Amino acid sequence: AQSVAQPEDQVNVAEGNPLTVKCTYSVSGNPYLFWYVQYPNRGLQFLLKYITGDNLVKGSYGFEAEFNKSQTSFHLKKPSALVSDSALYFCAVRGSNDYKLSFGAGTTVTVRA
Amino acid sequence: EAGVAQSPRYKIIEKRQSVAFWCNPISGHATLYWYQQILGQGPKLLIQFQNNGVVDDSQLPKDRFSAERLKGVDSTLKIQPAKLEDSAVYLCASSLAGGRPDTQYFGPGTRLTVL
Repeated sequence: AQSVAQPEDQVNVAEGNPLTVKCTYSVSGNPYLFWYVQYPNRGLQFLLKYITGDNLVKGSYGFEAEFNKSQTSFHLKKPSALVSDSALYFCAVRGSNDYKLSFGAGTTVTVRA
Repeated sequence: EAGVAQSPRYKIIEKRQSVAFWCNPISGHATLYWYQQILGQGPKLLIQFQNNGVVDDSQLPKDRFSAERLKGVDSTLKIQPAKLEDSAVYLCASSLAGGRPDTQYFGPGTRLTVL
């Protein structure tokens, strides 16, 4: 069975500081990894994905994520956070042997001015 | 490009009543998904359609939930009768072909409150 863990319920950073949201996964076969962001009363918005190739993936709004196979991690990063990045972030994984996309419980990011 | 459309956005019903949600995927997307997102949790897949056929409905409570996608485009999800624990946001998503690396694009969701 595949699963995703987001070990931090909340992340608080000051505007302009680096932002990291952690994600680890368990899956059979090769992993396909995704990050989504959810603003209040909105659906999930796609940020980026890792399928194969370069371990560093760049996505929307200045976000990037690093795939680490040995640590089974896919942490989301942004070098300089903005107040507008405050939202709920979900990591998701799909195994090469499974159709289902499994989501983590989410991490609430608060960026203070 | 228009995104995934869902209606209604909000619905309040009493337990044992029935309710239906509608979803129109992105044009040309063959695969459609319904998810349930309970407060404080990540979305959970209820059912996945490929065109008008069901690919996976293993987590759909079939005694009360049903879904259809008759013409392979829009879809409806129904709950009958509703229980208190069905209070959640119901998200619809679509993807181009349903392949494993495909990106799923989500609609705004329907927030259901069961009293």
